[in-house]
Formats: sequence, structure tokens, C-alpha cells
Amino acid sequence: EIVLTQSPGTLSLSPGDRATLSCRASQTVSTSYLAWYQQKPGQAPRLLIYGASRRATGTPDRFSGSGSGTDFTLTISRLDPEDFAVYYCQQYGRSLWTFGQGTKVEIK
Amino acid sequence: EVQLLESGGGLVQPGGSPRLSCAASGFTFKNSAMSWVRQAPGKGLEWVAVISGGGGSKDYADSVKGRLDISRDNSKNTLYLEMNSLRAEDTAVYFCAKVDRNYNMDVWGQGTTVTVSS
Repeated sequence: EIVLTQSPGTLSLSPGDRATLSCRASQTVSTSYLAWYQQKPGQAPRLLIYGASRRATGTPDRFSGSGSGTDFTLTISRLDPEDFAVYYCQQYGRSLWTFGQGTKVEIK
Repeated sequence: EVQLLESGGGLVQPGGSPRLSCAASGFTFKNSAMSWVRQAPGKGLEWVAVISGGGGSKDYADSVKGRLDISRDNSKNTLYLEMNSLRAEDTAVYFCAKVDRNYNMDVWGQGTTVTVSS
């Protein structure tokens, strides 16, 4: 099973700041099957980025994904108040999915 | 509008066997693989199970293999999760999710809470 480790656990930033979230895999992950999700309190997760770098429908262009192999990054260029949430990376391989433990982006 | 609506959660005694349901609408249900993902209180997301569009292929996380059974009724556009031998650590919000052709979970329900306690 591929383990995804996200860092940092919590990111304390202000609106307008740039956020950089990391996701490291224990083994190589296919770029095609690396996704990022956003979850706000009391809500279901929402698909943000798929294929490591492709924005899902409705994802603002301030969100971007990058990376390959075992290292992936989600960048939020300028934080909007609605972006303060928990972000999870996810990978698919061999008929199973795994999630990272999440990074909370909180208001400083 | 594409929508998923879970039901069937509640307070369950250890060893209990509830069945969760997920009613789908707004898309061709039989053409989509479907999955269950759970989230324990204050914790992260954990993938639980997946079923193919036709229902003939199923896979499970090791943590639930042998205790949970995913199924679907395409005539009713409904996904199910039969839960058996429940333990306290199965306490969680259970989300159903539609799996797209790239193996992403692109539509999620609002979740149903299962609390295992005596």
C-alpha cells in the first residue's frame, strides 16, 4: 500500500498569502492518478485537482498542482477567505485508493 | 443536477449490522463505479470500498475486508454498504462518492454518521 505523507500539518496564513502544500508518496505514484481534495467543516470533500495538475470543473485558477514520482505540490497563489479548509491528496493504484492525512490551512 | 444522498446511519451496538444506502440522481448510475469513504471524528479520510458499474467487481480496504459488503441496485440507482461485526473504531461519517473514468471521486454525498457504542 502506498502511504501519502502531507506537510505541513497546519499552515497559518493570511488572506492574500501564497500557500504551498506538499504530498510525498512512499512509492512512485502515476501522475494520472494523483488528486487533491478540499474539505470545509461539516461538508463533504470536493475534488480540486486531478491528474496531478488538472483543475476540476469549478476550481479557481489560483489553485495549481504540480509534481511527479513521489513528490507533489498544491499551490494556492493568493488565499481567498473561502480557501481556509483542510486539503487532502489522494492516489489510486492497484484497485485501491489512499489519502494523505491532510493539511489544514488556517487564518493567521 | 448530479446528487448523492446517503441514509441509514445512527447509533449501533458493537457487533451490529446496519445497512447504509446512497441514492443517486442526475447521471447514468449504471455506467459509474461507486465508492464508500469514511471519516472518523476529527480524523482524515479513509477509502473503504469500491464497486464497478455493473456490480461484478468489488474491492475493499484491508481494514474492513470480510466485515463490510458493497453492493448496488442499478434499477433503483442506489448504492449500499452492509456492515457486520461493527467495532468502536468503525464510528465515522460514511460518504458515498462517484468514481470517474480517471479514478477520481468527482461527486460526493453529504455523508451519514455511524456511531458504534453500547
